[in-house]
Amino acid sequence: EVQLLESGGGLVQPGGSLRLSCAASGFTFSSYAMSWVRQAPGKGLEWVSAISGSGGSTYYADSVKGRFTISRDNSKNTLYLQMNSLRAEDTAVYYCAKEITIAARPLGLDYWGQGTLVTVSS
Amino acid sequence: AIRMTQSPSSLSASTGDRVTITCRASQGISSYLAWYQQKPGKAPKLLIYAASTLQSGVPSRFSGSGSGTDFTLTISCLQSEDFATYYCQQYYSYPPTFGQGTKVEIK
Repeated sequence: EVQLLESGGGLVQPGGSLRLSCAASGFTFSSYAMSWVRQAPGKGLEWVSAISGSGGSTYYADSVKGRFTISRDNSKNTLYLQMNSLRAEDTAVYYCAKEITIAARPLGLDYWGQGTLVTVSS
Repeated sequence: AIRMTQSPSSLSASTGDRVTITCRASQGISSYLAWYQQKPGKAPKLLIYAASTLQSGVPSRFSGSGSGTDFTLTISCLQSEDFATYYCQQYYSYPPTFGQGTKVEIK
């Protein structure tokens, strides 16, 4: 059974940093690209970042580029999101999700964690 | 970035109704479109990918169609558990943008 379990959320002051983790199990972690998606309170879904299975390719939304860093440790089956220079508008539930791919082409996100809440406030 | 626009933003329907949600891309995305269902306080659930391929375990009353810029999600016979918010997402190019969501409410 595929399981994704996020951790690391919490309350942080503007300008601060936080690192989110996502522990994966039930599939060959290194074979799949992974993404972070966030949802501000009462708002829609916003894709944040993605990383290839090997970790060699990374992608970011313009809203977080230069402030957030996605990484993975395939030996620990764990995905990370390092968030620096946090702003009030980064307040959201952050989900990690596994990409579904066919012929190396991403087609969607087929498994999601339960989410972890990040609140940026003074 | 490719802009995804869903319509309507919300709708009211009754159990047993046929419901159609539309998603339009700001440029052609071939068939690289996914649909998700999200219930309050829960993570999204993948329903359809590649515009029309039903994800394993998803009931057959859900179907997707379209290619290029115009796509639809149809629920053929609305059930009580289908009241939720639905999102489309393009995977033609990064960033893989979402639509703003369509909330399906009980009439």
